Amino acid sequence: GAVVSQHPSRVICKSGTSVKIECRSLDFQATTMFWYRQFPKQSLMLMATSNEGSKATYEQGVEKDKFLINHASLTLSTLTVTSAHPEDSSFYICSARDVAGPGNTIYFGEGSWLTVV
Amino acid sequence: SQQGEEDPQALSIQEGENATMNCSYKTSINNLQWYRQNSGRGLVHLILIRSNEREKHSGRLRVTLDTSKKSSSLLITASRAADTASYFCATGGSGGYNKLIFGAGTRLAVHP
Repeated sequence: GAVVSQHPSRVICKSGTSVKIECRSLDFQATTMFWYRQFPKQSLMLMATSNEGSKATYEQGVEKDKFLINHASLTLSTLTVTSAHPEDSSFYICSARDVAGPGNTIYFGEGSWLTVV
Repeated sequence: SQQGEEDPQALSIQEGENATMNCSYKTSINNLQWYRQNSGRGLVHLILIRSNEREKHSGRLRVTLDTSKKSSSLLITASRAADTASYFCATGGSGGYNKLIFGAGTRLAVHP
């Protein structure tokens, strides 16, 4: 079945630095990917919609200059957390839909744990 | 933004019992999906029900949808310890199936 891969699965970075998280669709093309954020024991909050070849669409309240999204190819979207702070520590998950596949199932990555120290 | 609330927030049952989780949403929808998440992991898609459907089954799962009440329920029958996880409903709006808005989730614990 369709697989979405995220890398890294865990990352620790220092305050003030930037960290990049990758989301790849391994066996299908995804013109649109989605980035979510999840705090412990809470739900997933949609951050932005990543569009291949164009600017991302951010949800209300999400700082686009802090959470940079690049969707340079049909199989890769990246989320860069810039000038990270401890409050950015969270679980980040991406999703993608195989537009050529059957049904409308959306596939999620395994998520990336970010800890900012 | 979250679509709505899930009820209960946490549920603890014994193996073999049934577990029922409810989800409410606020806006009109195209479909509603249920996902499962093991602690600290990604999401696993369980079932999708379209807005013109009222009930759907998949193995031990039964999902109902009441668009007039803007609510859905997920029933897991004959629960197993391996069912222990968080369960989320997510709605896809009229803009398409892609953009999912998640409910608050129910943390289910099934005790052997």
